[in-house]
Amino acid sequence: GIQVEQSPPDLILQEGANSTLRCNFSDSVNNLQWFHQNPWGQLINLFYIPSGTKQNGRLSATTVATERYSLLYISSSQTTDSGVYFCAVEQETSYDKVIFGPGTSLSVIP
Amino acid sequence: EPEVTQTPSHQVTQMGQEVILRCVPISNHLYFYWYRQILGQKVEFLVSFYNNEISEKSEIFDDQFSVERPDGSNFTLKIRSTKLEDSAMYFCASLIRAYNSPLHFGNGTRLTVT
Repeated sequence: GIQVEQSPPDLILQEGANSTLRCNFSDSVNNLQWFHQNPWGQLINLFYIPSGTKQNGRLSATTVATERYSLLYISSSQTTDSGVYFCAVEQETSYDKVIFGPGTSLSVIP
Repeated sequence: EPEVTQTPSHQVTQMGQEVILRCVPISNHLYFYWYRQILGQKVEFLVSFYNNEISEKSEIFDDQFSVERPDGSNFTLKIRSTKLEDSAMYFCASLIRAYNSPLHFGNGTRLTVT
């Protein structure tokens, strides 16, 4: 099956700093989503982005499907951005199965 | 905005007991999923369900697990005889169609097996 890798595994930022999280995947995908898991365990959908670039406030994401990676940019980070960021992909040949990467654990300190 | 709802938010059960986790997917969605997350680990796919049958399942989804859509609105996950290692957060998700649409997750049920 498809392999999903995320980097870095852990990240500590000073409040106000910018960061880039990366997701690599080993096969062609139909769909790709970025999620934020907050301290209460909820999975918050950030972006649905199988290709192209999207922006939502301080967050933006870019997926280059032909090169099998996606990037999540966080600008002017805030303490509320802390948590785990997951990318999740749906393999082109397995459309009923969305697979999560291992996540990037982000801590934003004041 | 419509959302996926899961009940209960937290369930404690004794080893060997049966447990049923309940989910109400978004009403016009057609594909339904269960995922599991053991504390501190990644979110793992368990099973997908479409047209009243399982369409994909992982190796985790063994004979102890079953899913059902009993009444056209609820979607349930049953664990027949719980083990300590079943303790995890269980997420339900739904999708309106197979392609070009995002997965919507519920807030999860935290299952603790003692």
